[in-house]
Amino acid sequence: GAVVSQHPSWVICKSGTSVKIECRSLDFQATTMFWYRQFPKQSLMLMATSNEGSKATYEQGVEKDKFLINHASLTLSTLTVTSAHPEDSSFYICSARTVFGEQFFGPGTRLTVL
Amino acid sequence: AQSVTQLDSQVPVFEEAPVELRCNYSSSVSVYLFWYVQYPNQGLQLLLKYLSGSTLVKGINGFEAEFNKSQTSFHLRKPSVHISDTAEYFCAAGRPEAGGTSYGKLTFGQGTILTVHP
Repeated sequence: GAVVSQHPSWVICKSGTSVKIECRSLDFQATTMFWYRQFPKQSLMLMATSNEGSKATYEQGVEKDKFLINHASLTLSTLTVTSAHPEDSSFYICSARTVFGEQFFGPGTRLTVL
Repeated sequence: AQSVTQLDSQVPVFEEAPVELRCNYSSSVSVYLFWYVQYPNQGLQLLLKYLSGSTLVKGINGFEAEFNKSQTSFHLRKPSVHISDTAEYFCAAGRPEAGGTSYGKLTFGQGTILTVHP
């Protein structure tokens, strides 16, 4: 079946540094990937929609210059948290959409900013 | 725009008892509906989905849900729960897009923590 991976699964970084999170569709091509953020004990909130070869579409309130998204190939989208601060600590989950329109979620990346 | 409301933040239940997790949605257009399960520090696993057709949808692990358009609900049920069902459950809605069963970004409910006690 369709498998989506994320790397790293967890990361700890110092305040002010940048962190890159990868989302890969392992056995299918994904023209669209979605990035969600989940704060502790809260639901998933969509951050942005990533389309291969074009600029990402960000949800209202999400800073595009802080959360850089690149979808350079049909199997890889990256989310870079620039100048991370403790309030960016969260669980980041991606989903990838198959050509048939179904979405599959990655296992998530736990980001802790000290 | 659509919204999803899960009416119970926590549901405790004893093993082998039946359970129902409630979900209501609001949307000005038709939506697809989903239930996902999330175990601690893990991603989401799809339990079941409603796209069209029969309003009773059967999923994995013995779960089922019924789409009720008049009540705008999509409640999740299981007749007999196991300890291993302890997890957080999310109801979600997505707008259909052109081309068969495709759908766009998902809107999630707040989540319901199901705790199964021995």
